[in-house]
Amino acid sequence: ELKVEQNPLFLSMQEGKNYTIYCNYSTTSDRLYWYRQDPGKSLESLFVLLSNGAVKQEGRLMASLDTKARLSTLHITAAVHDLSATYFCAVDIGTSYDKVIFGPGTSLSVIP
Amino acid sequence: DTAVSQTPKYLVTQMGNDKSIKCEQNLGHDTMYWYKQDSKKFLKIMFSYNNKELIINETVPNRFSPKSPDKAHLNLHINSLELGDSAVYFCASSQDETGGDTEAFFGQGTRLTVV
Repeated sequence: ELKVEQNPLFLSMQEGKNYTIYCNYSTTSDRLYWYRQDPGKSLESLFVLLSNGAVKQEGRLMASLDTKARLSTLHITAAVHDLSATYFCAVDIGTSYDKVIFGPGTSLSVIP
Repeated sequence: DTAVSQTPKYLVTQMGNDKSIKCEQNLGHDTMYWYKQDSKKFLKIMFSYNNKELIINETVPNRFSPKSPDKAHLNLHINSLELGDSAVYFCASSQDETGGDTEAFFGQGTRLTVV
């Protein structure tokens, strides 16, 4: 059974600091997604990583995928308060979305 | 223009009742899904529906049933509601493309409270 873990589950960081969220998974996959969820809101797609070594950046967020290590990272650079949200990774082990397993989420709080 | 829309946004009902949540997507996607998010924010897929093929998560009670009148709609019917059904339910859709992006687009969620 596929397990998807995220580390840390809760993160409080100061504005301006850098930090990395880790997503580990237990079976072979070369497709991984990162989503953001604001409190009481829907999930917003951030990144789709489709191959080993894939790296994508959007603003202060950068995501990478190492399929050999079964690891994805979401790096936050110079955090700002607007980045406060819950971040989910989701691992795709099938050919369509019904085989996507979500991690437990990392609740990020950026404080002044 | 909302891509994936759900109604209602909030639903409070008594145990034992039957209720429905509606979902519509205007993205032209061929697959739709229902997810359940519990109080700890854990997301679990319940169903996916693609071109009349329904894929069910075997852990979902048969009190839950999806109904798709057409490609753009996937409604969720829940019979004999229980306290444990209280959660946020998300509808989502995606376009299946082999080897390509299959990211899902989510609705705003329906917060179901069973009392």
